[in-house]
Amino acid sequence: LAKTTQPISMDSYEGQEVNITCSHNNIATNDYITWYQQFPSQGPRFIIQGYKTKVTNEVASLFIPADRKSSTLSLPRVSLSDTAVYYCLVGALSGGYNKLIFGAGTRLAVHP
Amino acid sequence: GAVVSQHPSRVICKSGTSVKIECRSLDFQATTMFWYRQFPKQSLMLMATSNEGSKATYEQGVEKDKFLINHASLTLSTLTVTSAHPEDSSFYICSAGQGGGTEAFFGQGTRLTVV
Repeated sequence: LAKTTQPISMDSYEGQEVNITCSHNNIATNDYITWYQQFPSQGPRFIIQGYKTKVTNEVASLFIPADRKSSTLSLPRVSLSDTAVYYCLVGALSGGYNKLIFGAGTRLAVHP
Repeated sequence: GAVVSQHPSRVICKSGTSVKIECRSLDFQATTMFWYRQFPKQSLMLMATSNEGSKATYEQGVEKDKFLINHASLTLSTLTVTSAHPEDSSFYICSAGQGGGTEAFFGQGTRLTVV
């Protein structure tokens, strides 16, 4: 299971774009990259997942360079409600489900 | 997305008693579920893998006799904290994935307080 490294914390202001980069140097060929968001006293919530290049959904974009050794979660125009912990995880595509090992995550604080 | 539900959402128990936490996949079948524990200001720590119809697989350092896991059906896994002590107080979270998918769905968590 590939280990991930993220900044421990980040600060931003409402309306700004936030980019959180995750390093996963030992990512395997079968590994997907998935980002989760967690609010206090709640279970993690899926944000976005990708394998390579760029993925975009209604809440975020995920940029993955060709070597896949890192990835960047981009949150456009954050609001106070985006204050949360964001986890980057890598796991094998197993046709069903894979065991997810959480790193420390990035604690994002959005200020007025 | 698929829904995973935990019950109860919070529980307070006396030291020495046992507590059971349920994890249900509401709209899909899950042959595998995972149990995590999270202490304040810390990340999720994987405790064990729950396998339907077979014994759970525990991570290193997790006492299997203290944290009993039963996965008797394709939609239900239970975690029983036996002889609970105050140091077992934590936030317990389960997750499951749909067959054929790559996304994990998490329950809302259970806050256990042992007094």
